[in-house]
Amino acid sequence: GIQVEQSPPDLILQEGANSTLRCNFSDSVNNLQWFHQNPWGQLINLFYIPSGTKQNGRLSATTVATERYSLLYISSSQTTDSGVYFCAVGSGGYQKVTFGTGTKLQVIP
Amino acid sequence: NAGVTQTPKFQVLKTGQSMTLQCAQDMNHEYMSWYRQDPGMGLRLIHYSVGAGITDQGEVPNGYNVSRSTTEDFPLRLLSAAPSQTSVYFCASSYYPGTGRYNEQFFGPGTRLTVL
Repeated sequence: GIQVEQSPPDLILQEGANSTLRCNFSDSVNNLQWFHQNPWGQLINLFYIPSGTKQNGRLSATTVATERYSLLYISSSQTTDSGVYFCAVGSGGYQKVTFGTGTKLQVIP
Repeated sequence: NAGVTQTPKFQVLKTGQSMTLQCAQDMNHEYMSWYRQDPGMGLRLIHYSVGAGITDQGEVPNGYNVSRSTTEDFPLRLLSAAPSQTSVYFCASSYYPGTGRYNEQFFGPGTRLTVL
């Protein structure tokens, strides 16, 4: 099956710093999403981005499908950004979705 | 519009007991799926369904059964619970891919299951 790798696995930032999270995938995909899992375990949709670039406030994402990677940018980080960020890709006709192992982000004041 | 709902939120079982985790969505999504999340890991797909009456296995289907009698509901059954099934279970739904609609997935709040 498709392999999804995320880097870095762990990240500690000072409040106000910027960061880039990366998601590499091993095959063509027809669906890619970024999620934020907050400290209470809730999964929050950030972006649906199988290709191209999107922005939402301090967050933006870019997927280069031909090169099989996606990037999530967090600018001016806040303590509420802490949690785990997952990339999830779907492939095949029935959308079997595979999650990466996540990037655990801690933003300290 | 409640989105994706799951019940119960927490459950403790003894080895060998059976139970059903409930999942419902009110967005008229064709595609529904169940995932489990173990500590420090991403989510792994257990079973999924592309419509009423159609289900298929994901990455870790053993020990779990599903059925899809309506568009709205997708229950997950544990027939004989084992300690290895201690996990957090998430249900998700989306439109079916390739229909011209966004097929982003929406997740329920999760069920935390402990098997003693």
